[in-house]
Amino acid sequence: DAKTTQPPSMDCAEGRAANLPCNHSTISGNEYVYWYRQIHSQGPQYIIHGLKNNETNEMASLIITEDRKSSTLILPHATLRDTAVYYCIVSGGGGGGNKLTFGTGTQLKVEL
Amino acid sequence: NAGVTQTPKFRILKIGQSMTLQCTQDMNHNYMYWYRQDPGMGLKLIYYSVGAGITDKGEVPNGYNVSRSTTEDFPLRLELAAPSQTSVYFCATRGSGNTIYFGEGSWLTVV
Repeated sequence: DAKTTQPPSMDCAEGRAANLPCNHSTISGNEYVYWYRQIHSQGPQYIIHGLKNNETNEMASLIITEDRKSSTLILPHATLRDTAVYYCIVSGGGGGGNKLTFGTGTQLKVEL
Repeated sequence: NAGVTQTPKFRILKIGQSMTLQCTQDMNHNYMYWYRQDPGMGLKLIYYSVGAGITDKGEVPNGYNVSRSTTEDFPLRLELAAPSQTSVYFCATRGSGNTIYFGEGSWLTVV
């Protein structure tokens, strides 16, 4: 079973920041938080991941709470092309093949 | 999706037929995975491999078989296809880092 909880859908105005929340209250010490997105029925696309520090790359920022029980993915200036299903996943940094267990994600709709 | 190639992209099978979905990667990654995705659902892991000669079951392995004779290839075999196996299949790989790369998917319909 998925170990994360996400809202099923969110809307965002184009040009505004999209903040996607994720709860992972059972995360263990060596598990990372990953974010992927899937546009239409394409293969999931990696966005960002982190362990306990906040992370930023060219696509997004990841804010992880100090207790690591929740996180927020931030798309700073959402565009129509960011409309997709966003998956928050927790997975170990080693053993067991580092499998990703997908939930149903958040459908983000970016509108004009 | 560069580096992970899946074939075929689309296939229609009759009930009881068999087929193999091919997955090839050119990134020399040790870890490879097969997922399936039913409409409106997240991806479910079928099988995975941590290196050539080593495979293991995921969440939904029934009705499927895999082999990993080389680092590059990780074929997924469907024996006696059933309508419940109608789905989109994704192959993925992971190297020494933590990022998993997905192929573009194979759409399978069993009628």
